Amino acid sequence: DGGITQSPKYLFRKEGQNVTLSCEQNLNHDAMYWYRQDPGQGLRLIYYSQIVNDFQKGDIAEGYSVSREKKESFPLTVTSAQKNPTAFYLCATSYTFGSGTRLTVV
Amino acid sequence: QKEVEQDPGPLSVPEGAIVSLNCTYSNSAFQYFMWYRQYSRKGPELLMYTYSSGNKEDGRFTAQVDKSSKYISLFIRDSQPSDSATYLCAMSAAGGYNKLIFGAGTRLAVHP
Repeated sequence: DGGITQSPKYLFRKEGQNVTLSCEQNLNHDAMYWYRQDPGQGLRLIYYSQIVNDFQKGDIAEGYSVSREKKESFPLTVTSAQKNPTAFYLCATSYTFGSGTRLTVV
Repeated sequence: QKEVEQDPGPLSVPEGAIVSLNCTYSNSAFQYFMWYRQYSRKGPELLMYTYSSGNKEDGRFTAQVDKSSKYISLFIRDSQPSDSATYLCAMSAAGGYNKLIFGAGTRLAVHP
């Protein structure tokens, strides 16, 4: 069953803590994307990767980091430098999205 | 000014109504236009994909693109309560990777 798997579904972060969101795909797509969704603002691009071992900043990359060591995997780390991390995070390949991770700062 | 403008609603209609959802955009380079449906706490699901101007129909859904007016629409016929969701328009320019620019989304409620 092809698709995109994001985990965890819910994540809580303490102030000053780094957290990593997982994104795995079995669609054999080269390009992968991370978006952030806030109420009333649509989706904004954080990072994207067109090929293994290469990635580019999107529109709101500050406070985030990614890696692309395998074609199937594109994890996103939300660092302590991201001052307003509470949001819904979506991973995508081409036009297909995962089910999202809701991150909350506690 | 945002590249893509979309009225956030909410839009409330009775079951069976025809729904019209719209987006306007400013970048004339956009050539690929999409509509996504997003249920609460879920990822967006691609509904319609259109290249350049024209109409595309799929069941109860019709997408229209008017590049001369920089205006796209999604029509839902015979709306059902299960259509209640947020509808996002998205678009991208030709060439390169598919960087999508999204509208803010319109929340639709179809009541029985």
